[in-house]
Amino acid sequence: DADVTQTPRNRITKTGKRIMLECSQTKGHDRMYWYRQDPGLGLRLIYYSFDVKDINKGEISDGYSVSRQAQAKFSLSLESAIPNQTALYFCATSDSWGASNQPQHFGDGTRLSIL
Amino acid sequence: AQKITQTQPGMFVQEKEAVTLDCTYDTSDPSYGLFWYKQPSSGEMIFLIYQGSYDQQNATEGRYSLNFQKARKSANLVISASQLGDSAMYFCAMREGFNDYKLSFGAGTTVTVRA
Repeated sequence: DADVTQTPRNRITKTGKRIMLECSQTKGHDRMYWYRQDPGLGLRLIYYSFDVKDINKGEISDGYSVSRQAQAKFSLSLESAIPNQTALYFCATSDSWGASNQPQHFGDGTRLSIL
Repeated sequence: AQKITQTQPGMFVQEKEAVTLDCTYDTSDPSYGLFWYKQPSSGEMIFLIYQGSYDQQNATEGRYSLNFQKARKSANLVISASQLGDSAMYFCAMREGFNDYKLSFGAGTTVTVRA
């Protein structure tokens, strides 16, 4: 089983719909992140959470919200989806107690298309 | 300003040859880490190699090595003896500071290995 699991893997929806992307991890990491990937732009940070009570905006948080339901679960919501939110979304985790050379661990991504 | 710049959108390399992927970074923090990730066509993000700002030697991991030139703020990835399975997009990313584990990503370089 994957250490970082994202659901759904693919989603097609319509403009104006509310969408939730979910992420769960079994790595025991305290920090979790949501990124979006667009062609030519790499990955950009949407939100990040250092623990259940600590949630922070990233570079591009407008139009998104998050919820850290437990240490292992971090969900991303699009309250009213718009076509330019069509992208590949990644959840990632890291361990604040780990060494500085420890990488973030990524889920397999969610391909989201908004028509 | 862009924190990570990858100037090569795409590259072709012959099987068994070496390829160098460029990455330059911008930070005023003396403590930082540089990561390279591989993203095959299936979409997942695979960690390859890490270089810390205080590391005295260039990082190596199997066929991957980093040409780290601190004064030039560059951290180029070298893939030796390219294989068909190396065809993918490669991202350079930077973490700044000891405690902040957010990553800033470059736009990526697509590598295509030719038989």
